Amino acid sequence: DTAVSQTPKYLVTQMGNDKSIKCEQNLGHDTMYWYKQDSKKFLKIMFSYNNKELIINETVPNRFSPKSPDKAHLNLHINSLELGDSAVYFCASTQGGGVTEAFFGQGTRLTVV
Amino acid sequence: QKEVEQNSGPLSVPEGAIASLNCTYSDRVSQSFFWYRQYSGKSPELIMSIYSNGDKEDGRFTAQLNKASQYVSLLIRDSQPSDSATYLCAVNPLDSSYKLIFGSGTRLLVRP
Repeated sequence: DTAVSQTPKYLVTQMGNDKSIKCEQNLGHDTMYWYKQDSKKFLKIMFSYNNKELIINETVPNRFSPKSPDKAHLNLHINSLELGDSAVYFCASTQGGGVTEAFFGQGTRLTVV
Repeated sequence: QKEVEQNSGPLSVPEGAIASLNCTYSDRVSQSFFWYRQYSGKSPELIMSIYSNGDKEDGRFTAQLNKASQYVSLLIRDSQPSDSATYLCAVNPLDSSYKLIFGSGTRLLVRP
């Protein structure tokens, strides 16, 4: 049973489209994250939520809107996709913040053409 | 200035050798340090965490932390081809525990 699962695994879409990525964790954790990994493998925090509340918004464009309906889910909606949005997006979860082990989902490879 | 820096590699070692991976960090970051391993096309997975100065050993892996010199290292003894991956150093910044700051990773290649 997958601890942190993301869907879809691959997403190919045209510039200007709107798309969503879903994430669910069954670990009982209270904190969830979105990270972006670019083509150079640099992994960078985008958002973090603790108990459904937004804690970190790391200067991400307004086109990106996360939503946490409950502690086990964190979705990411992206409007007006741009070429530069192409990357792998990872969802992760921890219990109580980043000082404990982060469990990552399998990633969503987004390609904007 | 980057907050967490790693040599991108690749670091190539023969099977059975010791692989030494290094990471330096700026003085803004906290005292929680992590090493993640990421295989190509896969997600990062935690292999070591270290919180205080000194060494921490877990099987073939040893993490070393030196806060005075602001570096953390990972030693892999008896390297195996299956250890070939990218190793990501990560830290919690002082201003928030609700994020990890990652280095760009060091690619390790273990030659059979």
